[in-house]
Amino acid sequence: AQSVTQLDSQVPVFEEAPVELRCNYSSSVSVYLFWYVQYPNQGLQLLLKYLSGSTLVKGINGFEAEFNKSQTSFHLRKPSVHISDTAEYFCAVRGSGDSSYKLIFGSGTRLLVRP
Amino acid sequence: DTGVSQDPRHKITKRGQNVTFRCDPISEHNRLYWYRQTLGQGPEFLTYFQNEAQLEKSRLLSDRFSAERPKGSFSTLEIQRTEQGDSAMYLCASSLSSGDVETQYFGPGTRLLVL
Repeated sequence: AQSVTQLDSQVPVFEEAPVELRCNYSSSVSVYLFWYVQYPNQGLQLLLKYLSGSTLVKGINGFEAEFNKSQTSFHLRKPSVHISDTAEYFCAVRGSGDSSYKLIFGSGTRLLVRP
Repeated sequence: DTGVSQDPRHKITKRGQNVTFRCDPISEHNRLYWYRQTLGQGPEFLTYFQNEAQLEKSRLLSDRFSAERPKGSFSTLEIQRTEQGDSAMYLCASSLSSGDVETQYFGPGTRLLVL
């Protein structure tokens, strides 16, 4: 079974500063990894996903993430954040080759961008 | 592409009442998922349909919960004899099966409050 840990429940950062949101996963099989963003009172929107190949994945809104198999991590980064990036960010995993298509989510990290 | 829609967006009910939620997926998507999200947590998988067939159900889906997708298009999630612990955001997602790992697109959710 897979699991996801997002250790930081909240990350405050000043506008235009860089940010890293941490995600670690646990799995005995190869995985697919995802980052979703949730704005207040809205559903989840896909930021980026890692399936295979290059370990550095670029997504929307200037976000990128790096898959590190040895550390079982998939941290999300942005070099310069905007006020509009304030939202909840969720890391999710799915086992590759699974007959199940369900996503396993972490508990989320609230990114709070201050002016 | 109008996205995934859910109705109602908010529902307040008294304990013991039955409630039903509707999800309309993106029109050509053959897979449909239901997740539940409680405050401060990530979404948790409830059930999944491929076309009209319900292929997987989580242990979270007690006997009081039932989901249908009668014609392989929209889906309904019914909760009978609601309990206060059922208060949560119910999210629907859809995807199109393909050779690649398909992206799940989420709706805005139905927020349920059981008094």
